[in-house]
Amino acid sequence: ETGVTQTPRHLVMGMTNKKSLKCEQHLGHNAMYWYKQSAKKPLELMFVYNFKEQTENNSVPSRFSPECPNSSHLFLHLHTLQPEDSALYLCASSQEGLAGSKARETQYFGPGTRLLVL
Amino acid sequence: AQSVTQPDIHITVSEGASLELRCNYSYGATPYLFWYVQSPGQGLQLLLKYFSGDTLVQGIKGFEAEFKRSQSSFNLRKPSVHWSDAAEYFCAVGMDTGRRALTFGSGTRLQVQP
Repeated sequence: ETGVTQTPRHLVMGMTNKKSLKCEQHLGHNAMYWYKQSAKKPLELMFVYNFKEQTENNSVPSRFSPECPNSSHLFLHLHTLQPEDSALYLCASSQEGLAGSKARETQYFGPGTRLLVL
Repeated sequence: AQSVTQPDIHITVSEGASLELRCNYSYGATPYLFWYVQSPGQGLQLLLKYFSGDTLVQGIKGFEAEFKRSQSSFNLRKPSVHWSDAAEYFCAVGMDTGRRALTFGSGTRLQVQP
């Protein structure tokens, strides 16, 4: 499945580093998402973008800064992270308008970036 | 607030055996219900979804799920499991509030024995 790609696949960073995660979708969708998947915890929605505008922010700390320059690309800028931020970060996309309701849209996921904060 | 419970953290079945993964939700109205599968090193892939109508829905890879309103359940089933079905399975719930956010369960890890 190459519809949604994420780079890098693995990232190790110190707490004082600044890094960015990249997501690209090749499906022509207009909504993009960042999720955090921690061990033994449910998937947590972080941000949603629709047509490049942020529409949902799930009370995410400011050390996570999303950027959506266009409908195909989504970034997550990371700075001064904590060890508890270590997780798998998943990007997803969906297409508005086909399902009749935003909550009905099928989300297509990328493989994720495995992040370790030391 | 809505919630999703997957009571079984880990299930092991023999190849060829039948499978049922449980999912219970808490929500006042009829939710939109999804099952996703995550293979090791991969993102989540949609198996099937239920919005309304026939309460038995068919999905990909031979999976099906049945919506039971009286039990607030949406259990996933497969009559004969293949070794390639070993993965983690997530139930998710959405509701018609104008938001896209889904609430995911904690997942059930399926192991398949030869």
